[in-house]
Amino acid sequence: DIQMTQSPSSLSASVGDRVTITCRASQGISNYLAWYQQKPGKVPELLIYAASTLQSGVPSRFSGSGSGTDFTLTISSLQPEDVATYYCQKYNSALSITFGQGTRLEI
Amino acid sequence: QVTLRESGPALVKPKQTLTLTCTFSGFSLSTTGMCVSWIRQPPGKALEWLALIDWDDDKYYRSSLKTRLTISKNTSKNQVVLTITNMDPVDTATYYCARATDGPYDAFDVWGQGTLVTVSS
Repeated sequence: DIQMTQSPSSLSASVGDRVTITCRASQGISNYLAWYQQKPGKVPELLIYAASTLQSGVPSRFSGSGSGTDFTLTISSLQPEDVATYYCQKYNSALSITFGQGTRLEI
Repeated sequence: QVTLRESGPALVKPKQTLTLTCTFSGFSLSTTGMCVSWIRQPPGKALEWLALIDWDDDKYYRSSLKTRLTISKNTSKNQVVLTITNMDPVDTATYYCARATDGPYDAFDVWGQGTLVTVSS
């Protein structure tokens, strides 16, 4: 099975900082990658799909890039409401949909 | 407006079978491309995909749990049901259902609120 590894597992940043989270697949997955945000005690929400397409309604400070095995989620200017755990997810095969282990973002 | 809502028992005993129902509105699971998945999250841990059913009644399961999982749909009732046999305390988790719209190779754009299931004697 293809493994998804996120880094870092946690990070602390300041309001206004540029934040980058990475996700690496153990094998190529083209652009079948999504990013989700899960605020404390809340339901996961889709931020980005197809590696770089912003879901409707998501603020433009969020962006995604990458293809193949290496992907990044970038928050261009961190806001207090961005405190959350972020998950990547691969969906190149319906037989092995896999989430990363999560990145906890604190301010 | 698309909504999904999970329902089922909050507490099950070890070795019992868990039956969860996802009741949705705002879309039809008979529409080409529509899929519903089940995902779970143990307390304080990461998300784990369990199963997916698509508009054509094709079913996909997490390989490590395949022998214990059954997913089915009732299109007329707008429901998807997941059963998990032989429940164990490690299966304690919040269980979510979620929708995908572009077939099984798509992200989950809408999630239910989740239902916490505790496995304990």
